Amino acid sequence: DSGVTQTPKHLITATGQRVTLRCSPRSGDLSVYWYQQSLDQGLQFLIQYYNGEERAKGNILERFSAQQFPDLHSELNLSSLELGDSALYFCASSAPREGQGADTQYFGPGTRLTVL
Amino acid sequence: EDQVTQSPEALRLQEGESSSLNCSYTVSGLRGLFWYRQDPGKGPEFLFTLYSAGEEKEKERLKATLTKKESFLHITAPKPEDSATYLCAVRGTSGSRLTFGEGTQLTVNP
Repeated sequence: DSGVTQTPKHLITATGQRVTLRCSPRSGDLSVYWYQQSLDQGLQFLIQYYNGEERAKGNILERFSAQQFPDLHSELNLSSLELGDSALYFCASSAPREGQGADTQYFGPGTRLTVL
Repeated sequence: EDQVTQSPEALRLQEGESSSLNCSYTVSGLRGLFWYRQDPGKGPEFLFTLYSAGEEKEKERLKATLTKKESFLHITAPKPEDSATYLCAVRGTSGSRLTFGEGTQLTVNP
């Protein structure tokens, strides 16, 4: 158990709909990352928040948005859903590391989104 | 742009048959190379972080090594419970994101 929690585990919805995925980071971690994993593209970075502020953006569609709240939990909002949005969505969190090296990201169990 | 290539895509071993997985990378200023294990439908489970060439880390039957261009995950005397997809990822100086390879799907037969 990484200490990162995600809800819901599974989500089935229809095209055109909007859904919200929720993530709670490990206790004390300030950074939250969102990744998408589909069969044909592997794990792709979407967006990072650090202590409530957007820190980095990856291949995130304009239909997708995220935020991090004062209690550090994060939500990923997906709107105008298309069939191709079906994927596993993972949240990861990390704590700052002393020195030059990158901090380690710990992943949650994921949310499986199915768009019908 | 950071890139990660893992080989082989799939590997079948007999229990006890040692082998190595390869991760080749190109990155602008390596700040960390990460190995994760992922079981089907589950989140990636952290294994190792390597920061500089020559570094090695071990955990049970796994040993990760790093050079300036690639990393190896050595599996010694694997057991069926080691069956999983092993993912390699890098983080460079260009940002916080991890760039992942496609993974190596390892199957260990009893």
